Amino acid sequence: QSALTQPASVSGSPGQSITISCTGTSSDVGSYNLVSWYQQHPGKAPKFLIYEGSKRPSGVSNRFSGSRSGNTASLTISGLQAEDEADYYCCSYTGTSTSYNYVFGTGTKVTVL
Amino acid sequence: QVQLVESGGGVVQPGRSLRLSCAASGFTFSNYVMHWVRQAPGKGLEWVAVISYDGSNKYYADSVKGRFTISRDNSKNTLFLQMNSLRADDTTIYYCAKGRAIQLWSPLDYWGQGTLVTVSS
Repeated sequence: QSALTQPASVSGSPGQSITISCTGTSSDVGSYNLVSWYQQHPGKAPKFLIYEGSKRPSGVSNRFSGSRSGNTASLTISGLQAEDEADYYCCSYTGTSTSYNYVFGTGTKVTVL
Repeated sequence: QVQLVESGGGVVQPGRSLRLSCAASGFTFSNYVMHWVRQAPGKGLEWVAVISYDGSNKYYADSVKGRFTISRDNSKNTLFLQMNSLRADDTTIYYCAKGRAIQLWSPLDYWGQGTLVTVSS
């Protein structure tokens, strides 16, 4: 199972909005609305941001939003803040009738200018 | 609050075995699927394995299938990863993560801090 494709880096100024893409295939992102997004600061564990493409867990800022179209999912960060500087990973369920698997994206480093 | 604490990492020679543990607290462990995910230093996340709430179903990434075994002890709120025939490319930080619900396709919502495994002669 190949990793989902994300841009290596995205940058923006404070207050701006940025969007991170996550491109998969018809076997993963395109087949299931089961894409989740994670934020990881250096040396820390990943933090759960978005699930089922666009749903936010309680406690996650509404500055984070997700969407999906075809084989591509996207994470948008609005009102960019210094603390948003981190690595971001998408993840998609990719199973069959007899197997359950997950695949992560290649990761995107977000820099706040 | 949900807490996941991994242990058991360390330095091991190629071909040897190691068993990781993950102690869970702050939630009803037996009601949720659990995962292992790994991350090589400076690299991306790689899903390793998932186990159903009752331990009856287990699934693995192709990279570890046949070498790693995921298991759980619901009476002790503990998740395990038995790693055999270790290779240099198994050198990573191993995270345990909780599934958001009982379904095997539930997203991973809480993660431990990870334990480092180094495979080296």
